[in-house]
Amino acid sequence: NAGVTQTPKFRVLKTGQSMTLLCAQDMNHEYMYWYRQDPGMGLRLIHYSVGEGTTAKGEVPDGYNVSRLKKQNFLLGLESAAPSQTSVYFCASTGTGGRTEQYFGPGTRLTVT
Amino acid sequence: GNSVTQMEGPVTLSEEAFLTINCTYTATGYPSLFWYVQYPGEGLQLLLKATKADDKGSNKGFEATYRKETTSFHLEKGSVQVSDSAVYFCALSTTTSGTYKYIFGTGTRLKVLA
Repeated sequence: NAGVTQTPKFRVLKTGQSMTLLCAQDMNHEYMYWYRQDPGMGLRLIHYSVGEGTTAKGEVPDGYNVSRLKKQNFLLGLESAAPSQTSVYFCASTGTGGRTEQYFGPGTRLTVT
Repeated sequence: GNSVTQMEGPVTLSEEAFLTINCTYTATGYPSLFWYVQYPGEGLQLLLKATKADDKGSNKGFEATYRKETTSFHLEKGSVQVSDSAVYFCALSTTTSGTYKYIFGTGTRLKVLA
């Protein structure tokens, strides 16, 4: 049982390049989330999904797209990376939502130059 | 709107000292409350949680009580160890139109000196 995994762990992009971050969970969780973590700002929700085939915008969705084609996977895409997207990205999942805790992946550190 | 406010760090303590990290929240309804811990280079992991008023969550010597009257969920530990050095996040979960979302505080860095 690996929990929540994220690939890659590190990535450096040039401005304007694109990339996809992959999140996978093996706990059969319905809810999945993408956050970014920046110094002094805690975690901010980018997008989330309440089930396979669904996605919704969070607090800071601009510049990102997501897809949830399979229940266990949640992809985060950057179509045209900008330096402002330099951050640590965390994926999380939760079972029934609400009163159950979130399980987090180890994070992806992205630098955009 | 919903929000979580926690004390700024860093908090620096000597080993075996008493720890308190303050957390207050604003939310409609009856949120669940959580404390997460993040060790360097890792993701967040649940430390403890409480789902209703007056519940006490506890784990690894840490405790926090859900106080609805003061909208607080302060984290305490009687005797910290060097291995407790990490960043601690207070969080709440709430529902809007049947969808559950989580709100996190900005985190408090704890440094414990031997």
